[in-house]
Amino acid sequence: DGGITQSPKYLFRKEGQNVTLSCEQNLNHDAMYWYRQDPGQGLRLIYYSQIVNDFQKGDIAEGYSVSREKKESFPLTVTSAQKNPTAFYLCASSISWVNTDTQYFGPGTRLTVL
Amino acid sequence: QKEVEQDPGPLSVPEGAIVSLNCTYSNSAFQYFMWYRQYSRKGPELLMYTYSSGNKEDGRFTAQVDKSSKYISLFIRDSQPSDSATYLCAMSAGNTPLVFGKGTRLSVIA
Repeated sequence: DGGITQSPKYLFRKEGQNVTLSCEQNLNHDAMYWYRQDPGQGLRLIYYSQIVNDFQKGDIAEGYSVSREKKESFPLTVTSAQKNPTAFYLCASSISWVNTDTQYFGPGTRLTVL
Repeated sequence: QKEVEQDPGPLSVPEGAIVSLNCTYSNSAFQYFMWYRQYSRKGPELLMYTYSSGNKEDGRFTAQVDKSSKYISLFIRDSQPSDSATYLCAMSAGNTPLVFGKGTRLSVIA
């Protein structure tokens, strides 16, 4: 069954702790993306990766870090430097960077920082 | 002016109504236009995709793009309670990240 998985679905952390969100895809897609969604804000791009071992900052990268060591995995770390980390985080992928339009999304991780 | 503007709603309609959802944009380089549907606490799913201007129909859904007015629309005919969701428009110039609207929350009342 092909798709994108994100884990966990819900995540709670104390303020000041780093936390890593998992994103895995078995679609053989080259490009992967991380978005943040807040109520009334739509989707905002955090980081994207066009290919393995390469990634670029999106519109709101401050306080976040990523790695792309494997084609199928694109984990996102929310660091203690992120001022308002509580949000719904979505991972997506597309066949290639050329085809940025057709993005497939995972189910999301809701992060709550207490 | 934001790159993509979308009325957040909420929009509430009776079952069977025709729904019109819209987005305006400012970047004339956009040529790929999408509509995503997002159910509560789920990831968005691609609903409609159009390239450049024109109409595209898929069942009860019709997407329209008017590049001269920088305006896109999604029409839902014979709306059903299962259509209740948030609808996000998205667009791209190609080889650039997608830009999303804020989403319109739709409720179809039985």
